[in-house]
Amino acid sequence: EVQLSESGGGLVQPGGALRLSCAASGLTFRTLGSYAMTWVRQPPGKGLEWVSTIRRGDDVTYYSDSVKGRFTISRDTSKNTLYLEMDSLRAEDTAIYYCAKDRGSSAWPTLDSWGQGILVTVSS
Amino acid sequence: DIQMTQSPSSVSASVGDRVTITCRASQGISSWLAWYQQKPGRAPRLLIYDASDLQPGVPSRFSGSGSGTDFTLTISSLQPEDFAIYYCQQANSVPYTFGQGTKVEVK
Repeated sequence: EVQLSESGGGLVQPGGALRLSCAASGLTFRTLGSYAMTWVRQPPGKGLEWVSTIRRGDDVTYYSDSVKGRFTISRDTSKNTLYLEMDSLRAEDTAIYYCAKDRGSSAWPTLDSWGQGILVTVSS
Repeated sequence: DIQMTQSPSSVSASVGDRVTITCRASQGISSWLAWYQQKPGRAPRLLIYDASDLQPGVPSRFSGSGSGTDFTLTISSLQPEDFAIYYCQQANSVPYTFGQGTKVEVK
């Protein structure tokens, strides 16, 4: 069973930057590059918002309009780690950020494994 | 962008009740729809993928149906552990939008 664990969250001032990491374990016979991977966020007390997906194989990336040009998704398959570089942060980026793995054999992204989430707070 | 609208926003139910949640897409998404359950302080959990396929390990009281623009999630006999928030998500096109959520509460 795949386990995902986010790190790198915390308090940052508006206009600042942060890099989230998502370490994957339990990927028997496969690496992180075999799956599309996604970041989803959830503002406190609110619903889920899709943020970004990196496609499997060719690593083509997709972003929501609210983060396009400010956030960058990437991965290091040798470390089985997914990243989200967040720049020019705004108060409205405050949320719990989840990394999630695509199940791999259905319409993607269909997210069958999730991390525990990491809180990012943007405030002065 | 495809908008996903869930109804109702909340439902009060008792253990043993049949509960149905609806998700409507603003344009056709074939069968590219997933349902998730989220409990307080926890990450979401995949229940249904491709509109009607049950994720392994999910109890058979959960079922999904629909295609095109109209989808439903049904819990055939509500159990105590099913009180949670449920979200639909379309996997048809970017941005991969979620519904606003439906809270299943104790009656």
